[in-house]
Amino acid sequence: DGGITQSPKYLFRKEGQNVTLSCEQNLNHDAMYWYRQDPGQGLRLIYYSQIVNDFQKGDIAEGYSVSREKKESFPLTVTSAQKNPTAFYLCASEHLYGYTFGSGTRLTVV
Amino acid sequence: EDQVTQSPEALRLQEGESSSLNCSYTVSGLRGLFWYRQDPGKGPEFLFTLYSAGEEKEKERLKATLTKKESFLHITAPKPEDSATYLCAVQGTNAGKSTFGDGTTLTVKP
Repeated sequence: DGGITQSPKYLFRKEGQNVTLSCEQNLNHDAMYWYRQDPGQGLRLIYYSQIVNDFQKGDIAEGYSVSREKKESFPLTVTSAQKNPTAFYLCASEHLYGYTFGSGTRLTVV
Repeated sequence: EDQVTQSPEALRLQEGESSSLNCSYTVSGLRGLFWYRQDPGKGPEFLFTLYSAGEEKEKERLKATLTKKESFLHITAPKPEDSATYLCAVQGTNAGKSTFGDGTTLTVKP
């Protein structure tokens, strides 16, 4: 089955630590996106990439970094510069009519 | 800047009690307006795309409509399994990304 796989499902980060969230798709979609969702709120765009080796900052890119070396993969690194990283992170790819989302990664600072 | 406002924030219905969710938007040139359903702890699931004023789409008990300023998601004779958060998003013709509203959380009681 085609889809988007996000891993891990749950992630715990210590203060000052960088962590990387994985996002893999087998849908052959060009554009991929990372959104952050806080409780009771909508989705806020972190980074997006429309083609391999190119990406753009979204509305809340500070403290995050991405890479797009392969069409299938769009990992997100949450750096120690992100002071409030506890949230639900969603990866998506774009098809002709909208987005397909992964099942999300819940990141908690401990 | 594209903007999306959804109302109400929360809606509680009895099973069989029809109602509507509202999505007001501003965008410079509409490429598409999207509706998604999100269950707790999961990624959003694509429902509909609307492209121009006057367009309507239907799926089971859901019907989405579009004007130049807003979209409605009509729910006819809802069932408890329709309980979820419904997200609205817009994408402008010059934007390579969607802007999301904060969602409406629907609870349908048996």
